[in-house]
Amino acid sequence: GEDVEQSLFLSVREGDSSVINCTYTDSSSTYLYWYKQEPGAGLQLLTYIFSNMDMKQDQRLTVLLNKKDKHLSLRIADTQTGDSAIYFCAERPPGTYKYIFGTGTRLKVLA
Amino acid sequence: DAGVIQSPRHEVTEMGQEVTLRCKPISGHNSLFWYRQTMMRGLELLIYFNNNVPIDDSGMPEDRFSAKMPNASFSTLKIQPSEPRDSAVYFCASRAQVANSNQPQHFGDGTRLSIL
Repeated sequence: GEDVEQSLFLSVREGDSSVINCTYTDSSSTYLYWYKQEPGAGLQLLTYIFSNMDMKQDQRLTVLLNKKDKHLSLRIADTQTGDSAIYFCAERPPGTYKYIFGTGTRLKVLA
Repeated sequence: DAGVIQSPRHEVTEMGQEVTLRCKPISGHNSLFWYRQTMMRGLELLIYFNNNVPIDDSGMPEDRFSAKMPNASFSTLKIQPSEPRDSAVYFCASRAQVANSNQPQHFGDGTRLSIL
C-alpha cells in the first residue's frame, strides 16, 4: 500500500542543523518532494528528487535518499528562526497524478 | 508571477448555509487539485481535474460537496448545506502536466473555513 510517514515534531537550536526524516512505501520508481508550510500559508515546494538519485543539494538544503530502506531525509544547515514551519514529505509515482503526503513534521527553532 | 489564487482567505458562516470557495490556477497549468487540511486527518485530496474535466472525485466526502471547473482559469468548491465538521483549511493546487517531465504542484494560500 501507499503510505508516507514522518515524525510529528522536531526542535533544534538556532545555528544547528535540522534533519527531518520520512519513509515511503511505494516499490516502484517515484518522485519525492519536500514542501514547507508556514502559518496561514499554503505548501511551498522546497525541493524534489527522483528515486534513482542518492542526494541533492540546494544552498542550505540537502536531500538524502536511501532507496534500500525507502528513507528520505531533509537536512537544513545553519537553521534559522525563519525555518520554523511544518515540513511535508510527499511521493508521486511517474505517470500518476496523485501525491501521497506525509503528516508533516513541525520544526521549532529555538533562539 | 502570480501563483494560485484562492478566495476568500477566511470564511465564517452558520451551519446550513451554502459555502463557495474559489480558485484561479496558474496560467498554463492544466491540472487542478482541491485539498482539505485538518489536524485530525492531515492533507486529504478531495478532487482532481485535468483539462477542466473531473478525473478523480473519490475524496469528496459527501454529496454536500461539489466542484466545478468551467474553464481553465477558474474552479469552485461548493458545500451545501455546510456543517461544523466541514471546518478546515481548503487548498487549491495546480500543476502543468507534461509527459516525461516532473512538474510539481503549486499551492494557493488556502481558505480557512469555520462553520458555526
